[in-house]
Amino acid sequence: QKEVEQNSGPLSVPEGAIASLNCTYSDRGSQSFFWYRQYSGKSPELIMSIYSNGDKEDGRFTAQLNKASQYVSLLIRDSQPSDSATYLCAVNSFSGNQFYFGTGTSLTVIP
Amino acid sequence: EPEVTQTPSHQVTQMGQEVILRCVPISNHLYFYWYRQILGQKVEFLVSFYNNEISEKSEIFDDQFSVERPDGSNFTLKIRSTKLEDSAMYFCATNPGQGSYEQYFGPGTRLTVT
Repeated sequence: QKEVEQNSGPLSVPEGAIASLNCTYSDRGSQSFFWYRQYSGKSPELIMSIYSNGDKEDGRFTAQLNKASQYVSLLIRDSQPSDSATYLCAVNSFSGNQFYFGTGTSLTVIP
Repeated sequence: EPEVTQTPSHQVTQMGQEVILRCVPISNHLYFYWYRQILGQKVEFLVSFYNNEISEKSEIFDDQFSVERPDGSNFTLKIRSTKLEDSAMYFCATNPGQGSYEQYFGPGTRLTVT
C-alpha cells in the first residue's frame, strides 16, 4: 500500500506569516508531486506541481522536493485569511495512472 | 477557463439501487479519473480511463462499479447496487496528457445512500 503522510494539524498562523506544510511518501518510484487546496465541502483545487528536486516558486507559493528523503513541502508566504483551507499532498504512482493523496493539513490564517 | 463539470451535485438513493454519476471532461483532455472521498477521510482513487478503456483500478473498484464514455463527451461512473458505505463525494478528474501529469477536479457529486 502506497502511503502519503501529512500532519493533520490544525496549523494556525497569523496573517502575513509563512505557513509551512509537509508531506512524506513511501513509493520511491513516484515522479510527480502535487499540492491541492480543498475548502470545506468543495473539490480539490490544484495549486502547484513539482517534478524535480529543489524549489519551485509560483507567486506566494513555493514547493520543495527532496526525492532522496521522499519529502515534499509547501511554503505559503504572506498568508491571507483566504488561504484557510485543507492542503492535500498528492503523489503520482509510478505508472502515472493514479494519485495517492494524504489526509491533508488543515490551515487557519488568523487575521 | 475550461472546467470539469459533474451532475448531479447531490444524489440520494436507496440501498440496492443503481446510480449513474456523470462528468463532462475538459475538452481535449485525454485521461479521465474517478475518485471518492468519504466524509472526513482522504481522497481515494477508484479508476483511470484512457482511449476508451480502463488503465488502472483500485481495490475499491469492484464488480459493482463500471465506467464508460458513451457519447465521446460524458464520462460516467455506474454503481450497480449501492450500499450504505458507498455514501461519499465522488470526484471526476481529467488530465490533458502529452507530458502533463496534472489532474483537474470537477466539483463533485455527493452520493447519499439510505
